[in-house]
Amino acid sequence: DADVTQTPRNRITKTGKRIMLECSQTKGHDRMYWYRQDPGLGLRLIYYSFDVKDINKGEISDGYSVSRQAQAKFSLSLESAIPNQTALYFCATSDLEHSSYNEQFFGPGTRLTVL
Amino acid sequence: RKEVEQDPGPFNVPEGATVAFNCTYSNSASQSFFWYRQDCRKEPKLLMSVYSSGNEDGRFTAQLNRASQYISLLIRDSKLSDSATYLCVVNMSGYNKLIFGAGTRLAVHP
Repeated sequence: DADVTQTPRNRITKTGKRIMLECSQTKGHDRMYWYRQDPGLGLRLIYYSFDVKDINKGEISDGYSVSRQAQAKFSLSLESAIPNQTALYFCATSDLEHSSYNEQFFGPGTRLTVL
Repeated sequence: RKEVEQDPGPFNVPEGATVAFNCTYSNSASQSFFWYRQDCRKEPKLLMSVYSSGNEDGRFTAQLNRASQYISLLIRDSKLSDSATYLCVVNMSGYNKLIFGAGTRLAVHP
């Protein structure tokens, strides 16, 4: 079984709809991240969390919100989806305590299309 | 200016070739450096960290030049399975966030 899972894997929705992307991990890591990837731009950080109840904005948080319900779960919401939020979304985890170089482990990604 | 810049490629090379990718970063406070590999439509995975003294892992060699703010990845004896996008990644001092380059695409052909 994968250590970091994301649901759904693919989603097509319409402008204005509320969408939630889920991420779960079995690695026991404290730190979780949400990124989006667009062609030619690389991965950009949306939000990150270093522990339950800890939420931090990343580079491009406008239009998104997150919830860290438990150590193992970190969800990303688009309150009112718009077409330029069409992208590949990745969740990642890391555990700085046990890693001297902050390696991040990524989920398989969610391909979101907003029409 | 992007914080981490890479030549997008693609680099098209035959099997057995040696290929090198370069990456520059803008923030001199950057502390840790990595190369990640991303296969088409898949998640990025750590390939190797980059140390100041340079480091090698099999056919892969990574080097760091802090004075020039430059990172390189050398792949020797390219295999078809090396075809992927290689992401240059930096972690700035005082932050716990990774900054990703847009990636360099490598295509190895028979």
